[in-house]
Amino acid sequence: EAGVVQSPRYKIIEKKQPVAFWCNPISGHNTLYWYLQNLGQGPELLIRYENEEAVDDSQLPKDRFSAERLKGVDSTLKIQPAELGDSAVYLCASSLGMNTGELFFGEGSRLTVL
Amino acid sequence: SQQGEEDPQALSIQEGENATMNCSYKTSINNLQWYRQNSGRGLVHLILIRSNEREKHSGRLRVTLDTSKKSSSLLITASRAADTASYFCATETGGGNKLTFGTGTQLKVEL
Repeated sequence: EAGVVQSPRYKIIEKKQPVAFWCNPISGHNTLYWYLQNLGQGPELLIRYENEEAVDDSQLPKDRFSAERLKGVDSTLKIQPAELGDSAVYLCASSLGMNTGELFFGEGSRLTVL
Repeated sequence: SQQGEEDPQALSIQEGENATMNCSYKTSINNLQWYRQNSGRGLVHLILIRSNEREKHSGRLRVTLDTSKKSSSLLITASRAADTASYFCATETGGGNKLTFGTGTQLKVEL
């Protein structure tokens, strides 16, 4: 069974440029998460989807970040414009649904903003 | 914000020794989970312990939970070089499947 797939794995951009990350969760997983992980820190939740509905986006900086999960499957996280402080790893995870415990993570997308 | 704090931040041991990591958290939880992250990779789920459980085992892993002290510990017995990784605790709180991760412990197991 395929795991959570993320792309690109690495992205280097100039500040003020836009960037987008894509995530394909495990088939059948209704819940999808985007986490941000700074170097040496634990992941911090940006947004959580139940199917196509964003049920928790309180930590998403909405002035420059946006996300969508069309048809309740794949998801895209966009940053526009990127700032130096956005350099981090963006992790996508999925789970079967609410109250099901274990999250399955992708390998992450490492963003470097110059 | 990070709900949990792991202690120690870094741990270096010899192969064959046991490694113990601790996690403290702030609010009541539904469950607590431990994850491992190898350098440059995603997180991998290790074990989940529910708030009404006190101890759980999985292979060489032993997890304890003390809800009165709001703390948990992860014990890795007979460590191997392949156990070298960062270990994170994560707490599930409130309704739904919202996980909040701690700051992590970097474990290095030397040959």
